[in-house]
Amino acid sequence: GDSVTQMEGPVTLSEEACLTINCTYTATGYPSLFWYVQYPGEGLQLLLKATKADDKGSNKGFEATYRKETTSFHLEKGSVQVSDSAVYFCALTFTGNQFYFGTGTSLTVIP
Amino acid sequence: ETGVTQSPTHLIKTRGQQVTLRCSSQSGHNTVSWYQQALGQGPQFIFQYYREEENGRGNFPPRFSGLQFPNYSSELNVNALELDDSALYLCASSLRVGTMAATEAFFGQGTRLTVV
Repeated sequence: GDSVTQMEGPVTLSEEACLTINCTYTATGYPSLFWYVQYPGEGLQLLLKATKADDKGSNKGFEATYRKETTSFHLEKGSVQVSDSAVYFCALTFTGNQFYFGTGTSLTVIP
Repeated sequence: ETGVTQSPTHLIKTRGQQVTLRCSSQSGHNTVSWYQQALGQGPQFIFQYYREEENGRGNFPPRFSGLQFPNYSSELNVNALELDDSALYLCASSLRVGTMAATEAFFGQGTRLTVV
């Protein structure tokens, strides 16, 4: 079935370090791909998305490129801040009826 | 434009009881989905409502049921609560236009349900 696999955490980085969170997917077709972020005690916020192969989603310095050949959608940021500390979820959907989420990757950025 | 709002924010129930959680969709959205997020896990799809009817269901037993109202708000009802039902319940709204389903969902803050 359709699924998303994320790099396991937790991830701890120093401020201004580079971030990569790996995400790969298994799907029968070509889904839309998303990264959501969840801050402590809150719901999910859409961080970025890509709807077709080779699209790059970007927001707040984060980027992810939809790679069909490797079925991946890795999240990257060149310089993380303390305020980026949160749990990051990779997700896919075909029809918008159902989103499939990864298990989440916890990121802690220390000053 | 108002976002997705859920109530209550926290709830404690006893095993065997019933619970109703509420969600108001984002202005202009006509589709509501419910997800269960257990501690340390990603959200799991429960079901979706469109035009007041269930439009897709995940792997959850029938004691999980829902409603959607004409104003597109929604309720999630869980009967015969079990300890494993303790989780964050998230509501997501989206806009479906005709047969074109939305490919983006906006989530509420969630309701934290604890079953003791």
